[in-house]
Amino acid sequence: DVVMTQSPLSLPVTLGQPASISCRSSQSLVHSDGNTYLNWFQQRPGQSPRRLIYKVSNRDSGVPDRFSGSGSGTDFTLKISRVEAEDVGVYYCMQGTQWPPWTFGQGTKVEIK
Amino acid sequence: QVQLVESGGGVVEPGRSLRLSCAASGFTLSSYGMHWVRQAPGKGLEWVAIIWFDENDTRYADSVKGRFTVSRDISKNTLYLEMDSLRAEDTAVYYCAREVPGVGPDYWGQGTLVTVSS
Repeated sequence: DVVMTQSPLSLPVTLGQPASISCRSSQSLVHSDGNTYLNWFQQRPGQSPRRLIYKVSNRDSGVPDRFSGSGSGTDFTLKISRVEAEDVGVYYCMQGTQWPPWTFGQGTKVEIK
Repeated sequence: QVQLVESGGGVVEPGRSLRLSCAASGFTLSSYGMHWVRQAPGKGLEWVAIIWFDENDTRYADSVKGRFTVSRDISKNTLYLEMDSLRAEDTAVYYCAREVPGVGPDYWGQGTLVTVSS
């Protein structure tokens, strides 16, 4: 199984400042079709997960452009350019390249300092 | 618009069974893959199972293989998760999520809580 490792697990951020979350996979996430199936999800307190990014860097409809995804191979990053209060929650990376199983990172809790 | 509504959760004794439902609207189940993902209290997300376009094509996490069965009823546009031989470690909120091949899970339900306890 592909193991997804996120860091940090806790991220206190000042409002208006940038934030960055790392996600590393135990194996390359490049599929034989040439695509990389790496997603990012946001889970606000008491809510269901919401997808923010698919295939490394594609923002979902309605996701603010302060969120961006990047990376390749085994190393990926989610960046928030300027953190807002509504961004508080837990962020998960998830791979869909080598399945089953689909695997998630442990989650990174973003909170306001 | 796309909507997923889970139901069927509750408190159940170890070793017993429970069936979860996920009612879909705004799209046709048979045109998408459908996941079940769970989240134990205070923990992260764990993938449980998927049913693909071909309803006979199902995959399971090792932790539930042989105990859980995913199925669907196209006439009701509803997804199911039949859970047998439940264990304390199956206690979690269970979410259904739509899978778009090549894109990943996009829409998620609100979840239903299953508590396995005597």
